[in-house]
Amino acid sequence: DAKTTQPTSMDCAEGRAANLPCNHSTISGNEYVYWYRQIHSQGPQYIIHGLKNNETNEMASLIITEDRKSSTLILPHATLRDTAVYYCIVVLDDKIIFGKGTRLHILP
Amino acid sequence: AAGVIQSPRHLIKEKRETATLKCYPIPRHDTVYWYQQGPGQDPQFLISFYEKMQSDKGSIPDRFSAQQFSDYHSELNMSSLELGDSALYFCASSFPRGLALPDTQYFGPGTRLTVL
Repeated sequence: DAKTTQPTSMDCAEGRAANLPCNHSTISGNEYVYWYRQIHSQGPQYIIHGLKNNETNEMASLIITEDRKSSTLILPHATLRDTAVYYCIVVLDDKIIFGKGTRLHILP
Repeated sequence: AAGVIQSPRHLIKEKRETATLKCYPIPRHDTVYWYQQGPGQDPQFLISFYEKMQSDKGSIPDRFSAQQFSDYHSELNMSSLELGDSALYFCASSFPRGLALPDTQYFGPGTRLTVL
């Protein structure tokens, strides 16, 4: 079973920051938090990952709480092309267990 | 940048037929993963290979088999196809980043299999 809990869906206005929360209260010390997204029927796309420090790349920022029990993916300036299902995944070995994800709708 | 290549992109088969899906990983990636995504479902892990050896196994039916070849490409063989096998099949690849680090997987565009 997936070890994360995410809202089923969220809306965000175009141009605003999209903040996607994820709970992973049972995460162990050496498990990483990964984020992927899937735009309709396309292959899942890697976004970002982290262990305990906040991370930023060209796509997004990842904020992990100090106790590591939750995290937030931030898309700084959402566009219509960011409409997708966003998966928060806890990874130890290399097998990805996808949960239900958050369906993010970007509103024009 | 080169991405994971999957072929064919679309495949239509009849019940009880066989199908072979191919996956060509990103250059220098030595690990391949297969996932199945049924209609309205989330991707489910099937099987993975590292250096041509099976490294992990998920919910792969006994009717399915897979292998990884010396050039690191992989093939998923599906026999006695059933209507329920209709799905998107994704392949992902990764390269080893170190013993203590999980490998980031990069997904291909998928093969849409329709069983009639």
